[in-house]
Amino acid sequence: KAGVTQTPRYLIKTRGQQVTLSCSPISGHRSVSWYQQTPGQGLQFLFEYFSETQRNKGNFPGRFSGRQFSNSRSEMNVSTLELGDSALYLCASSLEGTSGASNTGELFFGEGSRLTVL
Amino acid sequence: GQNIDQPTEMTATEGAIVQINCTYQTSGFNGLFWYQQHAGEAPTFLSYNVLDGLEEKGRFSSFLSRSKGYSYLLLKELQMKDSASYLCAVRSLWGLSFGAGTTVTVRA
Repeated sequence: KAGVTQTPRYLIKTRGQQVTLSCSPISGHRSVSWYQQTPGQGLQFLFEYFSETQRNKGNFPGRFSGRQFSNSRSEMNVSTLELGDSALYLCASSLEGTSGASNTGELFFGEGSRLTVL
Repeated sequence: GQNIDQPTEMTATEGAIVQINCTYQTSGFNGLFWYQQHAGEAPTFLSYNVLDGLEEKGRFSSFLSRSKGYSYLLLKELQMKDSASYLCAVRSLWGLSFGAGTTVTVRA
């Protein structure tokens, strides 16, 4: 079956702009989580959605937001972009999400969207 | 919140064994994961521990001690393709949090 698909793969924006990233999970997976990855900070948790509801949120400012649609596809938006937002944004899907106790909660990651803010 | 520590870098020789340690502090612990990430690629799942003890999967093994907040990933018979970043991740009530990763370099 198809893996996790993220679009766009690469994009360049300027400070002050906003960006929307898209993630299509593996068919049947109801949970989508988003991570920001930078060389210095590693993988930082942004938020997790399960069945269209935000289940968890990381420690990021309100400029970072997301949503999940009824088909489990998810989008994340970053408004008023700053230079420090330049990073690889990874989306991961799983069957029951990272809080589910009845499964291993294994995450399947997409290739990521590499955002450069100039 | 969660605090996850792992070494930044490790170097080993092809055919050798390397052990990557991970210590964590969290409440509501609900499992520990190890992921492998090659440069420029997405992380891929390696192992999962929720009970104390050793889980073996081929050349890779992962150990967990919940009372000590400690895990390690053991890579045996190292191959050049094992050069990658290894991420320790802890699941809790707040979801899944990752350590900064350990970059392993395998030399011939």
